[in-house]
Amino acid sequence: KAGVTQTPRYLIKTRGQQVTLSCSPISGHRSVSWYQQTPGQGLQFLFEYFSETQRNKGNFPGRFSGRQFSNSRSEMNVSTLELGDSALYLCASSSGQGSADTQYFGPGTRLTVL
Amino acid sequence: DQQVKQNSPSLSVQEGRISILNCDYTNSMFDYFLWYKKYPAEGPTFLISISSIKDKNEDGRFTVFLNKSAKHLSLHIVPSQPGDSAVYFCAASRGSGNTGKLIFGQGTTLQVKP
Repeated sequence: KAGVTQTPRYLIKTRGQQVTLSCSPISGHRSVSWYQQTPGQGLQFLFEYFSETQRNKGNFPGRFSGRQFSNSRSEMNVSTLELGDSALYLCASSSGQGSADTQYFGPGTRLTVL
Repeated sequence: DQQVKQNSPSLSVQEGRISILNCDYTNSMFDYFLWYKKYPAEGPTFLISISSIKDKNEDGRFTVFLNKSAKHLSLHIVPSQPGDSAVYFCAASRGSGNTGKLIFGQGTTLQVKP
């Protein structure tokens, strides 16, 4: 099976712009979760989508949003970019069912905000 | 409030010896625990997991131990190999009701010396 893929791998934006990141989950997986990794805060949960519905959300401002399509692919959008949004954005996919549900991560998108 | 803690930022061991990485958690609602290995600028790679109904899980050179009363888990790597050098994250999740959300520790950098 192909793994989780994320596009683009690298992105450079300026403050105030918006950005859209894409994630394709492992075939058959219906859940996609997004995480932000920064040196200061570590890996932090953004939100999770299952069957096109947001099921869970972390403590991030409303500038961070996402959606999921019927084929389980997901996009994450950040509007009005700030310097502090520079981070590695990771998505992970899983079956989305059961308590012992293992998430498998993609390679990430490195976002740099200038 | 850091619910998952990895108190050792780094660990150095000799090739062939045992590596022991530790993780503590505070939330007794966590019922599934995972270890991931990560290289810089890449996504975390799943290593091994354990459900709260077990106290040990083994997969090849990797063994995870869970001590629920102490809210402590550890990852043992035997024997350690230079290719094991990476950052190791422990993560925890709750079952139903908090889907798709992994809480990560801050990571431990393992260096295995030839």
